[in-house]
Amino acid sequence: TQLLEQSPQFLSIQEGENLTVYCNSSSVFSSLQWYRQEPGEGPVLLVTVVTGGEVKKLKRLTFQFGDARKDSSLHITAAQPGDTGLYLCGLSNSGYALNFGKGTSLLVTP
Amino acid sequence: DVKVTQSSRYLVKRTGEKVFLECVQDMDHENMFWYRQDPGLGLRLIYFSYDVKMKEKGDIPEGYSVSREKKERFSLILESASTNQTSMYLCASSLPNSGRWYYEQYFGPGTRLTVT
Repeated sequence: TQLLEQSPQFLSIQEGENLTVYCNSSSVFSSLQWYRQEPGEGPVLLVTVVTGGEVKKLKRLTFQFGDARKDSSLHITAAQPGDTGLYLCGLSNSGYALNFGKGTSLLVTP
Repeated sequence: DVKVTQSSRYLVKRTGEKVFLECVQDMDHENMFWYRQDPGLGLRLIYFSYDVKMKEKGDIPEGYSVSREKKERFSLILESASTNQTSMYLCASSLPNSGRWYYEQYFGPGTRLTVT
């Protein structure tokens, strides 16, 4: 089984700060999805990265896929309280199912 | 937009009861999944289905069964509910990209099940 580690596990910051969360795999993978889950809701797909070295931007969120295709990061610029939630990464290796990390729980306070 | 709906947001059942959780997707997706989510354990795959009447066990299938009689509907059944099945249950469906080499999953809002 491919191990997927997310760090940090918890993050509490103030509005306006920048942050980066990480997703690391024990082996190479073909694609990775990032999700955000708000309390009491299901995860919502943010982005899929598929190419080594790829960078994707979604407003204040920047997603990067490592060159070696074993890691990915999510950077949030000027965090807002609406960014609060659990950030999950899930990786796919051409199978039907995704393997998910345990997530990074982010709290942004005003 | 993809829409995945789950029959209940909150459910309270007694130990030993048979419990049905229903999931419906409206985008003609081939694959459907059931996960449970527990603090500190993340998302764990219970069962998935890649076609009508087809099912595959996930990582934690014990105590659960599934049914997929129609493409849009995937049901999770707890044959005899136990307190250790108290959890958040999430249904998802997925669509392959055009080359069919990766899949993106779309989740429902979840069912918070409490077994007393």
